[in-house]
Amino acid sequence: GAVVSQHPSWVICKSGTSVKIECRSLDFQATTMFWYRQFPKQSLMLMATSNEGSKATYEQGVEKDKFLINHASLTLSTLTVTSAHPEDSSFYICSAKGPGVAVSYEQYFGPGTRLTVT
Amino acid sequence: GNSVTQMEGPVTLSEEAFLTINCTYTATGYPSLFWYVQYPGEGLQLLLKATKADDKGSNKGFEATYRKETTSFHLEKGSVQVSDSAVYFCALRENSGGSNYKLTFGKGTLLTVNP
Repeated sequence: GAVVSQHPSWVICKSGTSVKIECRSLDFQATTMFWYRQFPKQSLMLMATSNEGSKATYEQGVEKDKFLINHASLTLSTLTVTSAHPEDSSFYICSAKGPGVAVSYEQYFGPGTRLTVT
Repeated sequence: GNSVTQMEGPVTLSEEAFLTINCTYTATGYPSLFWYVQYPGEGLQLLLKATKADDKGSNKGFEATYRKETTSFHLEKGSVQVSDSAVYFCALRENSGGSNYKLTFGKGTLLTVNP
């Protein structure tokens, strides 16, 4: 149980175009989803937190107009990189948290999406 | 703010060697602590966790004890295998609703185990 999928697993796009990445919780309802960015040989940096049905909360330094997050249902969140540039190339990872008791629930991570902007 | 510091890698060991990956943290309140593992080409998987001081998390031969007095959560394994080769991340989670329970990660430690 507790499987999170991401689609696509990798994508190449041209500079200036937009690309959408989907994150789905397959066997549970995710009240909260998180989007991370991982640079090579570095840690995961939280970009934003999205709660179902409300606007995402972005971390400091993350451009909300560039990284559009939508969490329209309890099983799906999307990250759209708008007007992508080569510096947006990275590994994007989502995680999902289900409802439950605060100290016992976990975040379940998707396998990640490799974005390359040419 | 919260932060996690873990030993920098890469760490290279021979099979059956003892493993320690150090992790210390800075946090307000009483966080939960985690170790995640990322195998090549895969997403993060929870390896073990501890939710309060003196708790010991364990899984697949790995152990870590939540030490509040030293703000540490060091990962250990008595005898590593080639299949343990991966990147290991230490993380903490705030346990307040206002934080959305978000995770703060260390930079990760690459472990390579040679046969």
